[in-house]
Parts: sequence; C-alpha cells; structure tokens
Amino acid sequence: DTAVSQTPKYLVTQMGNDKSIKCEQNLGHDTMYWYKQDSKKFLKIMFSYNNKELIINETVPNRFSPKSPDKAHLNLHINSLELGDSAVYFCASSQRLGTRSYEQYFGPGTRLTVT
Amino acid sequence: AQSVSQHNHHVILSEAASLELGCNYSYGGTVNLFWYVQYPGQHLQLLLKYFSGDPLVKGIKGFEAEFIKSKFSFNLRKPSVQWSDTAEYFCAVNADRGSTLGRLYFGRGTQLTVWP
Repeated sequence: DTAVSQTPKYLVTQMGNDKSIKCEQNLGHDTMYWYKQDSKKFLKIMFSYNNKELIINETVPNRFSPKSPDKAHLNLHINSLELGDSAVYFCASSQRLGTRSYEQYFGPGTRLTVT
Repeated sequence: AQSVSQHNHHVILSEAASLELGCNYSYGGTVNLFWYVQYPGQHLQLLLKYFSGDPLVKGIKGFEAEFIKSKFSFNLRKPSVQWSDTAEYFCAVNADRGSTLGRLYFGRGTQLTVWP
C-alpha cells in the first residue's frame, strides 16, 4: 500500500510545453504540500492545501498552479515550462489537529527534465 | 523567518564508526524538529521527530537525536553505522503554532557515505 503516490515518476518535455503532476494520499490526512528539490538537493516548499483550501503559497512563478479536487488529491500544473523548472517535485501530506501540524509523509517524487 | 543549518556537507565513515550530524535552527518560538533520510533515487523517509517531552528521541534503524533548546540544536547520532546508511540526511523544522504552521524548513542536507 503506497501512502503518498505521484504520477508520473519521470517527465521529460520541451520548453514551452504545459504539463501536470498528480498526487494522491491514502493516509486520511487533511493537508497536502508540494516541494521542489533542486539539483543541489535543497528542498523548498511551494504550496500547501488544508481541506482543499490553499494555505501556503510561496514565491513561485504563476506558471505553477496547484489544484486540490479533494482532501486526498493535490495536482500541480505547470504552464510554459522553462529550463529552470527542471527539478524533482515531491508531494507530501500531514494531519493538522487544531493548531498543531504533525509530521509530513513524502511521495516518491517526479523528476522533471525540461529540454 | 526560520532557517536550518547543517554544518557537514559530506561525511565519509567506515562501517562501525560512530556518527553525529549537526543541525542548528533559528526560530524564537516553539518548534517541531525532524530528521529525514533520502536513500539514492528514493523519496524522503522520516527517521525521527521531536514535538515535546524527553529531548532524547529514538528513531528507526538505530538513530537517535537530542534536542538542546539552549543551543537551538537537534543533532543526529548513531553509535555504529552500516554501509546501508549511505544516504542524504535532512534536518527540518516547523513552527508548532502560528502563521507558518505546517511550513517545513529544511537544511541543505548532509551526504553520508559509509565504506564497507
């Protein structure tokens, strides 16, 4: 049973294209996240949704648009891909209880290569 | 803003050697602390976590970490490493409350290489 799954695992595309990455979690968590890991392995949060509501929106180009159709799914759509978008994108989920946020569980990552 | 520093970029050890990876954070409030491990080509897995209580926490695979509040540190330790511990290790922090709730701040990672 995969707790947090992402598709696709690898994505190779050309500059200017539009692509989407999908994420699903079966942990029953109410909060989901997108992180970007650059070539030096630095991880930075991009977005977070809690119960389908956007709660974290870091300084990310507006070519990136997250969508959460329900608590268990968080998708990331990227328009007009650029070379600098090449990275590994990780989805994660966690549970909030009142005002406390618990540990995050990560998906396997999507390696995006823009040529 | 919160920040996390991992002092060692790359650590190389022989099997059975002891390990200590440093992690310091900057944040004035109450924090939750985590160590994650990323094996080559894999996703991040939670090694251990600290929310409150005993500052010495034990995680999976024989790892432990000690939270020293006065030093803003959360160092990771293992008494005897194995070749299979070769991986990238990330320290992470999030605020226990407040407007940055849930936002995990990661250190830049420490690559551990263990020679058999």
